[in-house]
Amino acid sequence: NAGVTQTPKFQVLKTGQSMTLQCAQDMNHEYMSWYRQDPGMGLRLIHYSVGAGITDQGEVPNGYNVSRSTTEDFPLRLLSAAPSQTSVYFCASSRPGLGGRPSYEQYFGPGTRLTVT
Amino acid sequence: ILNVEQSPQSLHVQEGDSTNFTCSFPSSNFYALHWYRWETAKSPEALFVMTLNGDEKKKGRISATLNTKEGYSYLYIKGSQPEDSATYLCAFSGDSSYKLIFGSGTRLLVRP
Repeated sequence: NAGVTQTPKFQVLKTGQSMTLQCAQDMNHEYMSWYRQDPGMGLRLIHYSVGAGITDQGEVPNGYNVSRSTTEDFPLRLLSAAPSQTSVYFCASSRPGLGGRPSYEQYFGPGTRLTVT
Repeated sequence: ILNVEQSPQSLHVQEGDSTNFTCSFPSSNFYALHWYRWETAKSPEALFVMTLNGDEKKKGRISATLNTKEGYSYLYIKGSQPEDSATYLCAFSGDSSYKLIFGSGTRLLVRP
């Protein structure tokens, strides 16, 4: 199993550009999520999904879109990049708990380091 | 807004010392409490997931306890080693939400 994979590893964008961060998992996990990591702030939840076709907002969703057309893939789209979106982005997945809740350990991808100039 | 607090923010200990950190979370509508270990330049890795009040879990020299009624969890490391140096994150999931909310972490440095 490859686990959770993320591409690209590094990306530099200019303000206003759009791009998609890719996340895929091969563990048949229903629950997937995107976090951003900023110094001194831990991991902040951007969006999450409890299964294909179902997504919802996390703590900091503004400026980001997600979709979940398959169980394996959960891409994160930046619509119009801003310097405030400079961060390290982590995708995570887990098998679902009761009702789809995150009651099992999360498996994290290696992260994407994004710089917006 | 869910508030997950971790203390201390950072901790420096000598090799062989035992240490502990605290995670505080809302005591109402509890569903699960996670602990993760995060080494620099790597991804977070799960240590424990606890769901029942009074749960105690252990993995080698690391153990954790859970008190859902008062909203806290302790992580203990016995006989710290330099390889224990990492940031330790806790994360909370409430009964009425599907979100997993992380604290800002405790950064541990173990000096040889």
